[in-house]
Amino acid sequence: GAVVSQHPSWVICKSGTSVKIECRSLDFQATTMFWYRQFPKQSLMLMATSNEGSKATYEQGVEKDKFLINHASLTLSTLTVTSAHPEDSSFYICSARDSRRGRTDTQYFGPGTRLTVL
Amino acid sequence: GESVGLHLPTLSVQEGDNSIINCAYSNSASDYFIWYKQESGKGPQFIIDIRSNMDKRQGQRVTVLLNKTVKHLSLQIAATQPGDSAVYFCAENNYGQNFVFGPGTRLSVLP
Repeated sequence: GAVVSQHPSWVICKSGTSVKIECRSLDFQATTMFWYRQFPKQSLMLMATSNEGSKATYEQGVEKDKFLINHASLTLSTLTVTSAHPEDSSFYICSARDSRRGRTDTQYFGPGTRLTVL
Repeated sequence: GESVGLHLPTLSVQEGDNSIINCAYSNSASDYFIWYKQESGKGPQFIIDIRSNMDKRQGQRVTVLLNKTVKHLSLQIAATQPGDSAVYFCAENNYGQNFVFGPGTRLSVLP
């Protein structure tokens, strides 16, 4: 159980275009999902917390108008990178908090999406 | 303060030996800790967790030790195997708030 999927797993786009990444919890409900960015040989940096039915909470320094987050259901959150530029190239990882009893803190991670902006 | 990503330290161990990966966490109020394993090009995989009311927890071939006095966490892997080669991250959580990840340690298992 506790499987999180992401789609696509790898995307290459032209500079100036927008890219949408989906994060799904497959066998549990997640009222909260998280979006991370990871550059090569570095740790995960939290970008934003996505709450079902409400606005996302962004970390300091993350542009909310550039990284649009939508959490429309208990199993799906999307991250849209708008007007992507080469410096946005990174590995984007989502995680979902399993809210089942006794496991309120555990986060399960998706496999990640590698974004390359040309 | 939060941990900031830096170039990864590397631990090399011989296959069959025990591995110990260390992590210094930043927030003395953190009450929940997780060790994650991340293989190249993949998302982090949950290994083991521990709450602040414990100082040791064992899983299959893995043991996590927590020393709250010095804010130190360690992951011990018994009889390290080639499949254990990956980057290992510790993560701390403060009463259900966001997780903060450590810089990670790359474990290389030598044949």
